Amino acid sequence: AQKITQTQPGMFVQEKEAVTLDCTYDTSDQSYGLFWYKQPSSGEMIFLIYQGSYDEQNATEGRYSLNFQKARKSANLVISASQLGDSAMYFCAMREDYNNNDMRFGAGTRLTVKP
Amino acid sequence: DVKVTQSSRYLVKRTGEKVFLECVQDMDHENMFWYRQDPGLGLRLIYFSYDVKMKEKGDIPEGYSVSREKKERFSLILESASTNQTSMYLCASSLFTGQKETQYFGPGTRLLVL
Repeated sequence: AQKITQTQPGMFVQEKEAVTLDCTYDTSDQSYGLFWYKQPSSGEMIFLIYQGSYDEQNATEGRYSLNFQKARKSANLVISASQLGDSAMYFCAMREDYNNNDMRFGAGTRLTVKP
Repeated sequence: DVKVTQSSRYLVKRTGEKVFLECVQDMDHENMFWYRQDPGLGLRLIYFSYDVKMKEKGDIPEGYSVSREKKERFSLILESASTNQTSMYLCASSLFTGQKETQYFGPGTRLLVL
């Protein structure tokens, strides 16, 4: 069963504007972690941000923030003040505590920042 | 900085060939992983290893094997390559097993099987 769903195959945003990339997940575990990665055209996956299921505050890392809504099982990535270098594939991933060798990835969203 | 390197960025092989994909990490990480990435499917785990000579199957191990003779090196082997193994292969490593532990990825190998 699909555990991570990213419903936006592609997104466009104007430079300097904010953009939200959606991610919903499915788990019956109470303890889990959520990750976002960026994959530029070079291919390397770059870790952006982490949110634990018990964290009370939404995670933030510079221009990246995670809008975590536990009851809705969503973990959307918000990128503020988009830059041309933000154009890339973005993947949401989850690791459940009961099986913490296994990280599940969504299908990804391709973000294009327009000048 | 963690560095994960993969032996080839691009590889073209013929059906039936034996293919070796090599991955090396330089940060003494315990865990190493092999994924394949296909459009619309995200990343799927092929195999992972949590120690030297230890390996466990991921979601899609069929047609693949792995080898970890040294801590820093994790090899993915396609015993007899087939066209449906044309894909992007990503290697990753992490220090420990743990909910918060992020994985560090290599640049990927784009494999084309003709």
